[in-house]
Amino acid sequence: SAVISQKPSRDICQRGTSLTIQCQVDSQVTMMFWYRQQPGQSLTLIATANQGSEATYESGFVIDKFPISRPNLTFSTLTVSNMSPEDSSIYLCSVTGALGTGIGTDTQYFGPGTRLTVL
Amino acid sequence: AQSVAQPEDQVNVAEGNPLTVKCTYSVSGNPYLFWYVQYPNRGLQFLLKYITGDNLVKGSYGFEAEFNKSQTSFHLKKPSALVSDSALYFCAVRDLGGGGNKLTFGTGTQLKVEL
Repeated sequence: SAVISQKPSRDICQRGTSLTIQCQVDSQVTMMFWYRQQPGQSLTLIATANQGSEATYESGFVIDKFPISRPNLTFSTLTVSNMSPEDSSIYLCSVTGALGTGIGTDTQYFGPGTRLTVL
Repeated sequence: AQSVAQPEDQVNVAEGNPLTVKCTYSVSGNPYLFWYVQYPNRGLQFLLKYITGDNLVKGSYGFEAEFNKSQTSFHLKKPSALVSDSALYFCAVRDLGGGGNKLTFGTGTQLKVEL
C-alpha cells in the first residue's frame, strides 16, 4: 500500500499566524483530500486538492483561510491562515488511486495527521 | 445528501466476547461503505469496505461487517474482542448517486474492551 507522511506531526502556534502542512505520498496518486477533525469530533472534508489547478472546497471552507497546493501527483500542502483557537484540530490528508500499488480509487487512505494547537 | 449515524458514543465489551459497533446510512444512490479505526494520537486506518457483491465483508484484524440494504445498516462485528481493539471507530459512506468522491463520516464510537 502507499505510504503517506505528514509534516509537522504536531505544532503549537500563536493566533494570527499561519501554518503550512505537507502531505507526501511514496506513489503517484489520483486524488488527494484534506480533512479536519476538531477535538472530540468526526472528520469533515475541507477540500479536494487538484493537481495543477485550484482546489475544490466544501461548503464552509474558503481558499483565503485554507489555501491548498498540489504541484504534482505525490505532494500537497494545506495552509491554515490567520489562525485562531477555533482552528485547533487534527488535519489529515487522504489519497486514492495509488498508481502501481493495486490501490484503486474506491478507498481513501489517510496520513497520520497533524495536531495543531492555537493559543 | 448523504449521512451516517453511529448511535452509540461508546461500547464496552469484555475481552473474548463478541462485539458490535452500529452504523446506519442514508444516500440517494448506491453506497460505498467503509469502517476506519483511529488509535490515540494516530491517523485513520482502513479496516474494511463494502462496494458490491457479498453482503458480509471481512477485513483486517478479524473484523467483519454486514451490509443490510433494507435496514440501511453496516454494523461492524468481531467474534472475540481483544483489549488491543480498544479505539475509536468511524463508519463512512460515499454516495455514488451524487456525492462524487466525498466521504461522509459518522460521529465515531469509542470501543473499550476490558479484561
